Amino acid sequence: GAGVSQSPRYKVAKRGQDVALRCDPISGHVSLFWYQQALGQGPEFLTYFQNEAQLDKSGLPSDRFFAERPEGSVSTLKIQRTQQEDSAVYLCASSLGRGQYTYEQYFGPGTRLTVT
Amino acid sequence: KNQVEQSPQSLIILEGKNCTLQCNYTVSPFSNLRWYKQDTGRGPVSLTIMTFSENTKSNGRYTATLDADTKQSSLHITASQLSDSASYICVVSGYSRGNTGKLIFGQGTTLQVKP
Repeated sequence: GAGVSQSPRYKVAKRGQDVALRCDPISGHVSLFWYQQALGQGPEFLTYFQNEAQLDKSGLPSDRFFAERPEGSVSTLKIQRTQQEDSAVYLCASSLGRGQYTYEQYFGPGTRLTVT
Repeated sequence: KNQVEQSPQSLIILEGKNCTLQCNYTVSPFSNLRWYKQDTGRGPVSLTIMTFSENTKSNGRYTATLDADTKQSSLHITASQLSDSASYICVVSGYSRGNTGKLIFGQGTTLQVKP
């Protein structure tokens, strides 16, 4: 079936604007993850959902970042009052099982956010 | 200090040659180690996953090794192809009660294969 999809693929926002990034995981995948990848760096964990429950949000850098997965499928990462340091690629991944480290994670292509 | 460090940062090789990428980690307790390939503008794709009890795992021309005692891993690419040009990321999973251990990513090695 289809892989993980993300939209938009590219987003340019003016500083102070709010943005919403969407992730469509692989159908039936229980776990969903968001990562932030700065240029030339590896991804860094933001948050983790098991179905609709957000079990770990320890990686969210500030209270301007908010994620939800209300029906246990599609997820949205929202960033309020964007700052230049928020410029990065935001990756979404899903996996079939529960937990972060025991199952294969399948990544989407990412959304490249540029804050001007 | 990064818990997962990779070397070299970048590498250029000629098509058909072999190369080896290194990964050192300090994550403890340790659950498993993964190597991902990330093409420019794409999400990472898994190459191998090894638990602490595994020493080596292959996936086609890619062979990963793991020494859990010295906390070192390597990814060997045989007979490189132009399509191997990508970033290769070492990822270590910590272990914690409740299965909430995070994936910790290295910063990647950028490999360029030239004709």
